[in-house]
Amino acid sequence: TQLLEQSPQFLSIQEGENLTVYCNSSSVFSSLQWYRQEPGEGPVLLVTVVTGGEVKKLKRLTFQFGDARKDSSLHITAAQPGDTGLYLCAGAPGGKLIFGQGTELSVKP
Amino acid sequence: KAGVTQTPRYLIKTRGQQVTLSCSPISGHRSVSWYQQTPGQGLQFLFEYFSETQRNKGNFPGRFSGRQFSNSRSEMNVSTLELGDSALYLCASRSDSGAFFGQGTRLTVV
Repeated sequence: TQLLEQSPQFLSIQEGENLTVYCNSSSVFSSLQWYRQEPGEGPVLLVTVVTGGEVKKLKRLTFQFGDARKDSSLHITAAQPGDTGLYLCAGAPGGKLIFGQGTELSVKP
Repeated sequence: KAGVTQTPRYLIKTRGQQVTLSCSPISGHRSVSWYQQTPGQGLQFLFEYFSETQRNKGNFPGRFSGRQFSNSRSEMNVSTLELGDSALYLCASRSDSGAFFGQGTRLTVV
């Protein structure tokens, strides 16, 4: 059983569409992180959310931490082909950083 | 500031052999974590080292081991390789602001 469940696992959309990726858990996290990974590379940290209800924006990406600190979402506005990649959420219960299964996003021109 | 360096990038080994992978973290970072990434299982936590001590361990068999040196460089070793050990092995250098990954070592067991 995954401690962090991500949905959807796969997403294929056209350029210009909006999308939301979800990261859910039954556990409370002190913080959650989002990473993006391109083929053949290691994951790159996008953002860390710490406070329940917090919203952070990174250009066209909006990250939200749930009020109860058990879930998070990533919303991309007007997706572009350059957004293609594997999006991972992560948390550190007990200190060890664990990851969700990831959402494979493909944005077609 | 140099990033996380993993060597080698690619490796092909035969079943039953052993392999050692190396990771140099970002200068000043004392925590190094190792992960195995496969298409079916995603990113699975192997272990974490901090100041030469193993601080956390994942659910992998004893064939997987690691160590950290006084300069924070880390190595992981896999003995008696199995076909299922084929994966991308990633090392992450951790600080309070997050985890910073190397490009990984792609291990293929044939």
